[in-house]
Amino acid sequence: GNSVTQMEGPVTLSEEAFLTINCTYTATGYPSLFWYVQYPGEGLQLLLKATKADDKGSNKGFEATYRKETTSFHLEKGSVQVSDSAVYFCALRSDRKLSFGAGTTVTVRA
Amino acid sequence: DTGVSQNPRHKITKRGQNVTFRCDPISEHNRLYWYRQTLGQGPEFLTYFQNEAQLEKSRLLSDRFSAERPKGSFSTLEIQRTEQGDSAMYLCASSSSSTSNQPQHFGDGTRLSIL
Repeated sequence: GNSVTQMEGPVTLSEEAFLTINCTYTATGYPSLFWYVQYPGEGLQLLLKATKADDKGSNKGFEATYRKETTSFHLEKGSVQVSDSAVYFCALRSDRKLSFGAGTTVTVRA
Repeated sequence: DTGVSQNPRHKITKRGQNVTFRCDPISEHNRLYWYRQTLGQGPEFLTYFQNEAQLEKSRLLSDRFSAERPKGSFSTLEIQRTEQGDSAMYLCASSSSSTSNQPQHFGDGTRLSIL
């Protein structure tokens, strides 16, 4: 079946540090890949997506590249802010339904 | 765009009671999904509708759970004879099938606590 494994947290960083959250997947066929973010007290929001191999999704300074050869979709941001503190979920879509990783809690300190 | 709306935000009930949650999708979205999220985990798929037709149900959806989407608009998720293990956040999402690769947009969820 389909599954997503992402880096365990929590992750604590200082402002302006580099953030990377690893995500690997197992799936049949060619799924679409997503990163969702959940800010404190809010619902899940789509952060970025990629629909085919070598696609790069980007939004709000975050980037992730769909790597078919390594079945990975790692999330990166070059300089984090306190407002990036949230839980980040990697997900794949196959047959219209999403399969999520367990989430990574990121805390950015001023 | 008013987003996906879920009601209630919180529900506390005693074990054995029935509960019903409502989801109003984004108005032009014809697909609607229910997920369940327990503490420290990612959401897990429960069921999916295209218009009024329920097209897929997860094995997580026991016979105590039933979901409907009359007229292809809002949806309800009912849990009968609730158990402690039903305590979770229940999330609704919607998407459009008008073009391919449309993402799912999530509501804020209904948090269910079983006493």
